[in-house]
Amino acid sequence: GAVVSQHPSWVICKSGTSVKIECRSLDFQATTMFWYRQFPKQSLMLMATSNEGSKATYEQGVEKDKFLINHASLTLSTLTVTSAHPEDSSFYICSARGDSSNTDTQYFGPGTRLTVL
Amino acid sequence: QKEVEQNSGPLSVPEGAIASLNCTYSDRGSQSFFWYRQYSGKSPELIMSIYSNGDKEDGRFTAQLNKASQYVSLLIRDSQPSDSATYLCAATLSGGGADGLTFGKGTHLIIQP
Repeated sequence: GAVVSQHPSWVICKSGTSVKIECRSLDFQATTMFWYRQFPKQSLMLMATSNEGSKATYEQGVEKDKFLINHASLTLSTLTVTSAHPEDSSFYICSARGDSSNTDTQYFGPGTRLTVL
Repeated sequence: QKEVEQNSGPLSVPEGAIASLNCTYSDRGSQSFFWYRQYSGKSPELIMSIYSNGDKEDGRFTAQLNKASQYVSLLIRDSQPSDSATYLCAATLSGGGADGLTFGKGTHLIIQP
């Protein structure tokens, strides 16, 4: 149980284009999903917290107009990187937390590697 | 700035020995702590969670939490070459609930055959 998928697993795009990444919880309902970013040899940094049916909460320094997050259902959250630039190239990882557990355990998706040319 | 600190390593341990990984955190109000394993190019995989002071054992892994010292550790017994990875310590900031995780930079563990 507690499987989270991401699509696509990798994407290469031209500078200035937009890229959408999907995060799905496959066998549980995720009231909260999180988006992280990891640059090479760095740790994961939380970008935003997404609750189903409400606006995402962004961490300090993360541009909400550049990283659009939609959490339209209890099993799907999307991250859209708008007008991507080479500095946005990174490993984007989502995680999901269900509402039936008493713990804060987050289950991570396999990640999406974005390369902006 | 609420932080989670880890020694980046690399930590080299002979196969079959005990690997000891350490982590400290600055937010005294943190309630939940996690150890994740991350192989190169992959996303983190949950190893253990711990919420109360003391030890928690799961197979070859033992997590230890000392809230007074703001210290979390992970012991890996009978280390195997497949345990070679980066181990990430994570904590939820005080306020819990839907907060995301704050990660340490990870300790790179190498198990020598």
